[in-house]
Amino acid sequence: DAGVIQSPRHEVTEMGQEVTLRCKPISGHNSLFWYRQTMMRGLELLIYFNNNVPIDDSGMPEDRFSAKMPNASFSTLKIQPSEPRDSAVYFCASSPLTSGQETQYFGPGTRLLVL
Amino acid sequence: AQSVTQLGSHVSVSEGALVLLRCNYSSSVPPYLFWYVQYPNQGLQLLLKYTSAATLVKGINGFEAEFKKSETSFHLTKPSAHMSDAAEYFCAVSSRVNNLFFGTGTRLTVIP
Repeated sequence: DAGVIQSPRHEVTEMGQEVTLRCKPISGHNSLFWYRQTMMRGLELLIYFNNNVPIDDSGMPEDRFSAKMPNASFSTLKIQPSEPRDSAVYFCASSPLTSGQETQYFGPGTRLLVL
Repeated sequence: AQSVTQLGSHVSVSEGALVLLRCNYSSSVPPYLFWYVQYPNQGLQLLLKYTSAATLVKGINGFEAEFKKSETSFHLTKPSAHMSDAAEYFCAVSSRVNNLFFGTGTRLTVIP
């Protein structure tokens, strides 16, 4: 299995531009998570999906952030418009539909820099 | 509500010495507990997890952790540090739903 795939691995953009991050979860996994990691705030859960349905988006910072999961094999996290404070590493993770004890498998992350 | 506290954001040990990374949890229900490791420029990967079976859990790369309910702790240990253990380590807790609550991480440095 290829594991969780994220693209792009690196993104540099200018303030005000739209950024779209992509994730392909492990085949057969029904839960998908988006995290953000910064030095100041550590690892934060932004949103997670079960069976393509958003369950908890309370971690999404503001309306500039949106996430979709149109099918079981693809999810996007969009930032529009982007701001310098959005600079971070964004991780996608997937797991089997869970009772809380399943392992989450993380992708390699997208390193975003907003100038 | 669930949360974890990792004591010590940075830990340095000599190669061959004992590794001890501390984690205390707070949970209103019996918890599931995890340790993840993050190597530079990589995602997190699971080291080990406690899911209410044996209280002493063995993981990959010689790491183990012991669940102590009376102390609300889940400390990570390894008898002998190796240079390749240098990484950031995250403790996490979950309940009966999907989401994990991560600690702030502990960066382990191994001195040759």
